[in-house]
Amino acid sequence: DAKTTQPTSMDCAEGRAANLPCNHSTISGNEYVYWYRQIHSQGPQYIIHGLKNNETNEMASLIITEDRKSSTLILPHATLRDTAVYYCIVRAADSWGKLQFGAGTQVVVTP
Amino acid sequence: EAQVTQNPRYLITVTGKKLTVTCSQNMNHEYMSWYRQDPGLGLRQIYYSMNVEVTDKGDVPEGYKVSRKEKRNFPLILESPSPNQTSLYFCASSSSTQDNYGYTFGSGTRLTVV
Repeated sequence: DAKTTQPTSMDCAEGRAANLPCNHSTISGNEYVYWYRQIHSQGPQYIIHGLKNNETNEMASLIITEDRKSSTLILPHATLRDTAVYYCIVRAADSWGKLQFGAGTQVVVTP
Repeated sequence: EAQVTQNPRYLITVTGKKLTVTCSQNMNHEYMSWYRQDPGLGLRQIYYSMNVEVTDKGDVPEGYKVSRKEKRNFPLILESPSPNQTSLYFCASSSSTQDNYGYTFGSGTRLTVV
């Protein structure tokens, strides 16, 4: 699976949008981009995923560049409960079982 | 409620004493997986299973065994635990459909081997 690069940490003000970048320049055509988050020592939580098109759900939006080499997760109105480690992962459609987490981005939302 | 249930949540054991951490899911998912999480090393996949009787090694399988005799259960077995297996363990499950939503994780099992 393709590797991803994320910033180590980010701060965000409560109520503002949080934009989390992810670089996946070696992504191949059948690989999806997934985002998870992990709030301290809890099990990781699925946020959103996409292949080519931008996606939106009740938690976040996912913007994937046209060349698919990078993406941005957008939390539209960050709250203190959004403080977590956010993981960007690429996952091949023919290997759903294998899911490798990187170091992720530690996001701290401040009042 | 759709969920992945791990037991126990906390376990302290001694070196060499065989133990099993259970994992069960009620979503009829085909895929199940075990991860361990250690400070500075992040989440690492131990084993995963694509369906009943089909398992494969993840990135750190040494010292662990798994079995998938039923679709809903995926126990993690430590035949002879050692202190370096002290860790936070997560079980997860996922459907196999192409538009799936990724893994649903359990709440974790904190294991200490002394």
